[in-house]
Amino acid sequence: LAKTTQPISMDSYEGQEVNITCSHNNIATNDYITWYQQFPSQGPRFIIQGYKTKVTNEVASLFIPADRKSSTLSLPRVSLSDTAVYYCLVGTTGGGNKLTFGTGTQLKVEL
Amino acid sequence: NAGVTQTPKFRVLKTGQSMTLLCAQDMNHEYMYWYRQDPGMGLRLIHYSVGEGTTAKGEVPDGYNVSRLKKQNFLLGLESAAPSQTSVYFCASSPRPPTGSDQPQHFGDGTRLSIL
Repeated sequence: LAKTTQPISMDSYEGQEVNITCSHNNIATNDYITWYQQFPSQGPRFIIQGYKTKVTNEVASLFIPADRKSSTLSLPRVSLSDTAVYYCLVGTTGGGNKLTFGTGTQLKVEL
Repeated sequence: NAGVTQTPKFRVLKTGQSMTLLCAQDMNHEYMYWYRQDPGMGLRLIHYSVGEGTTAKGEVPDGYNVSRLKKQNFLLGLESAAPSQTSVYFCASSPRPPTGSDQPQHFGDGTRLSIL
């Protein structure tokens, strides 16, 4: 199983860009990198997914270097509502038991 | 469109009691999963299913059983509840990924289970 390591917590202010890095040194060739957001008393919500290079959608960007041993979730211009736990997941749904959640990063956004 | 619905949302059991948690999805997804989340920890996969009538063990399967008799439902059973099974249980589903790609999971809002 590909183990992931993320910072336990991060603090930011509204309007700033936040970058959260996840390390996954033993990522397998077929593994994808997926990031989820979780608010208290809710299930995780999909943010973005990628395999290599850069992926961008309407809420975030995901940067993956060539060796794929890490990835960085970038949240542009965060707001108070972005305060949540962010999880990096490495694996493939096709494998089922190959899915591994990290410990998550608690992001706190202040005014 | 409800997505993934979990029943019940809260439950308190006594040690040794049994119960079944129900997960229902209306997205026609092939894959379904059960996770548990303990305080301050990430989600750990209990069991999963890659299609109707199939189940497989995840990372922490001991003490749990599952069934997928219908494509839209995935049941998680505790035959003899133990205090160590106090947790928040999340169900998720995802479509079968096309070859060479992957698909994200869609999660329910969880069942908070306390075992005394």
